[in-house]
Amino acid sequence: DADVTQTPRNRITKTGKRIMLECSQTKGHDRMYWYRQDPGLGLRLIYYSFDVKDINKGEISDGYSVSRQAQAKFSLSLESAIPNQTALYFCATSDNLGLAGATYSTDTQYFGPGTRLTVL
Amino acid sequence: QKEVEQNSGPLSVPEGAIASLNCTYSDRGSQSFFWYRQYSGKSPELIMSIYSNGDKEDGRFTAQLNKASQYVSLLIRDSQPSDSATYLCAVNRGFQKLVFGTGTRLLVSP
Repeated sequence: DADVTQTPRNRITKTGKRIMLECSQTKGHDRMYWYRQDPGLGLRLIYYSFDVKDINKGEISDGYSVSRQAQAKFSLSLESAIPNQTALYFCATSDNLGLAGATYSTDTQYFGPGTRLTVL
Repeated sequence: QKEVEQNSGPLSVPEGAIASLNCTYSDRGSQSFFWYRQYSGKSPELIMSIYSNGDKEDGRFTAQLNKASQYVSLLIRDSQPSDSATYLCAVNRGFQKLVFGTGTRLLVSP
């Protein structure tokens, strides 16, 4: 079984609908992230969470919200979907082990399979 | 200026050749650097990470970092058609907030 799973894998919805994308992980990692990927723009960070009680905005959080229900679960919601939110969405996780003695983060991020969202 | 810049390609190389992928970054305080491979429609997969100036080798892959020039590269030796993918450079700005380049598409022809 995959360590990081995302549901649904594909979703087509209409403008104004509320959508929730879910991410679950069995890696035991504390840190979880939501990214979106658009052609020509690369991966951009939407929200991230370093533990259950910690939620932080990324560079493009407007129009999105998140919920960290447990260490293993991190959900992304689009309260009122709009067409320019059509994109490929990835969840990622990382631990906080890094390199021993490093004064900066060296954690590797592991990505889920992605959710392709289309807003009509 | 983008924080992380990559040539979008495609970079075309014949099978068996060395593919050289390049990335520049703007934040001099960046400390950790990553190369991810992404096949079309799939999720990014870590290929290499590098933290110190110089070269780091792992099998057919070599990552090179030059912090003074704010430049990181990935060399793929003995390129195979299965290496055809988009390669994403990512830079850690701190607190594990990765900034990704837009990727370089690599095509390896048999």
